Amino acid sequence: SQKIEQNSEALNIQEGKTATLTCNYTNYSPAYLQWYRQDPGRGPVFLLLIRENEKEKRKERLKVTFDTTLKQSLFHITASQPADSATYLCALDVTYNTDKLIFGTGTRLQVFP
Amino acid sequence: KAGVTQTPRYLIKTRGQQVTLSCSPISGHRSVSWYQQTPGQGLQFLFEYFSETQRNKGNFPGRFSGRQFSNSRSEMNVSTLELGDSALYLCASSYEETQYFGPGTRLLVL
Repeated sequence: SQKIEQNSEALNIQEGKTATLTCNYTNYSPAYLQWYRQDPGRGPVFLLLIRENEKEKRKERLKVTFDTTLKQSLFHITASQPADSATYLCALDVTYNTDKLIFGTGTRLQVFP
Repeated sequence: KAGVTQTPRYLIKTRGQQVTLSCSPISGHRSVSWYQQTPGQGLQFLFEYFSETQRNKGNFPGRFSGRQFSNSRSEMNVSTLELGDSALYLCASSYEETQYFGPGTRLLVL
């Protein structure tokens, strides 16, 4: 069956450390993978997109890697801050040229001072 | 530009009723997608509309339907509501592979 799994329901780290979130998928061949941030009671907010032919993408303190052989993406937040506390969702585009996204289960990140 | 807007923000219905939710995309965006979010199932794709045509449909029963108007605004309808339809319904408009989500409509079915 097709699945997208994100590591553990919650990740607690200390301010200033690097948070690493994992997204694993099976039986998909995505054109690209996206990461979103969602705060309680709000809709997800787009963070980064990485294509199937890209290995790594960076944006400020964020870094995403994409390994299509392992079927895995890693999402890193360096120098984490309490304001980074939120739920992070990975999403796959599996239909090519349409906007249907399949979302992972999400990882709740808590950064404490 | 104004973001994606959804109305109403909160809704309480009883089983068996029907409900219509509205979504106004960001100006210039022609694609609108709908998602259902629940604690147990997470974010699940309902359907996507592009230029008034349904382009994709998720694995939901026929009680869930939608449409898109010529100005790209979209509505979704759920008929014969069930308790399990209680959820946050999110709409997103798309531009260059990025989806911009609205704040959602929280539906509670009693």
